[in-house]
Amino acid sequence: AQSVTQLDSQVPVFEEAPVELRCNYSSSVSVYLFWYVQYPNQGLQLLLKYLSGSTLVESINGFEAEFNKSQTSFHLRKPSVHISDTAEYFCAVSRPGTGRRALTFGSGTRLQVQP
Amino acid sequence: DSGVTQTPKHLITATGQRVTLRCSPRSGDLSVYWYQQSLDQGLQFLIHYYNGEERAKGNILERFSAQQFPDLHSELNLSSLELGDSALYFCASSVGELAGSYEQYFGPGTRLTVT
Repeated sequence: AQSVTQLDSQVPVFEEAPVELRCNYSSSVSVYLFWYVQYPNQGLQLLLKYLSGSTLVESINGFEAEFNKSQTSFHLRKPSVHISDTAEYFCAVSRPGTGRRALTFGSGTRLQVQP
Repeated sequence: DSGVTQTPKHLITATGQRVTLRCSPRSGDLSVYWYQQSLDQGLQFLIHYYNGEERAKGNILERFSAQQFPDLHSELNLSSLELGDSALYFCASSVGELAGSYEQYFGPGTRLTVT
């Protein structure tokens, strides 16, 4: 079975500052990795994903994440945050293969961007 | 808007009662997943259906059941409700078993309050 650890439950940061949200996973087999964002009173939106290939993946709104197999990490970064980035961010993993696609989520990191 | 719809948006009911949550996946998606989000348990996978067939079970209680109908909508039935069942219930859909179709798109959720 796989598991996901998000080391920080809350990350306060000032607007226009860089941010890193940490995610580590544990699995005995290869996994696929995802970051989802949840704005207040809304569902989860897919931010970015790593399936294979380049270990650096980017989203359309300036976030990026790097898959590091040796450190079993998939940290999320943004060089300059905006107030509108305030939300809860969830790291998740799933496994290849039929019937194994369900997501295992971390506990979430609440990003609080302050003016 | 993810294209996944869930009804009702809110549900308040009493202990011991039974409720049904409904989910309509994105057009063309064959897979439906149900997740529960609560403060103490976080986001947990409950059950996965693909084209009408159950594919995988997660931490789903015996009091809970689900099905996916020929038109691909899904229902999650919760019975003998307890206070601890109060949570946000999300439905997610994906294309299905095709290679590369690992993204799941989440609905807005149903907030269940058991009093």
